[in-house]
Amino acid sequence: AQKVTQAQTEISVVEKEDVTLDCVYETRDTTYYLFWYKQPPSGELVFLIRRNSFDEQNEISGRYSWNFQKSTSSFNFTITASQVVDSAVYFCALPRGNAGNMLTFGGGTRLMVKP
Amino acid sequence: DAGVIQSPRHEVTEMGQEVTLRCKPISGHNSLFWYRQTMMRGLELLIYFNNNVPIDDSGMPEDRFSAKMPNASFSTLKIQPSEPRDSAVYFCASSFWTGGDNQPQHFGDGTRLSIL
Repeated sequence: AQKVTQAQTEISVVEKEDVTLDCVYETRDTTYYLFWYKQPPSGELVFLIRRNSFDEQNEISGRYSWNFQKSTSSFNFTITASQVVDSAVYFCALPRGNAGNMLTFGGGTRLMVKP
Repeated sequence: DAGVIQSPRHEVTEMGQEVTLRCKPISGHNSLFWYRQTMMRGLELLIYFNNNVPIDDSGMPEDRFSAKMPNASFSTLKIQPSEPRDSAVYFCASSFWTGGDNQPQHFGDGTRLSIL
């Protein structure tokens, strides 16, 4: 069965520090997608990125970067020079295989960035 | 472009009352999802529709919960009768599914439900 593990339940950093959020997954599929979502204190869930398992190149978007390593079944998310506005709960997610477009979400990592 | 629209944003009602949550998915999306989020249980998928047809409702807690999607632009989640343990944030999400290409789900702002 598909499984997503975010072992870090809560991380606290000081502004301008770099921080990495870990995501480890299990899947029987040979090709698949992975997702990250952000849930700020206001409560909405915001889509951040989708990656295909074919593409193991790191993805960079401004201060955000994602490191996908198929060999270790990990899809980690790094925020460089963190800011208070980055404070949120971050979720990693994996489709449930041949089950339409349903997702299996990790438990989330709460990131607190202090000024 | 309009995102997923949920109403109401907040609902406070007394135990035993019927509660109806509403969702308008993004135009052109053919998949719709209802989720429930609580501190204890995290984010739970309740039901998944594809092309207005319920595909998986294994997450629906019990018979008090029902969901409908009468057309491509509207869905409801109903709780009758409501109980205090139903208090949670309920999210609706939509996406486009073509088979094999997992497009991202886009979420509404949620309905914060409190049952007294």
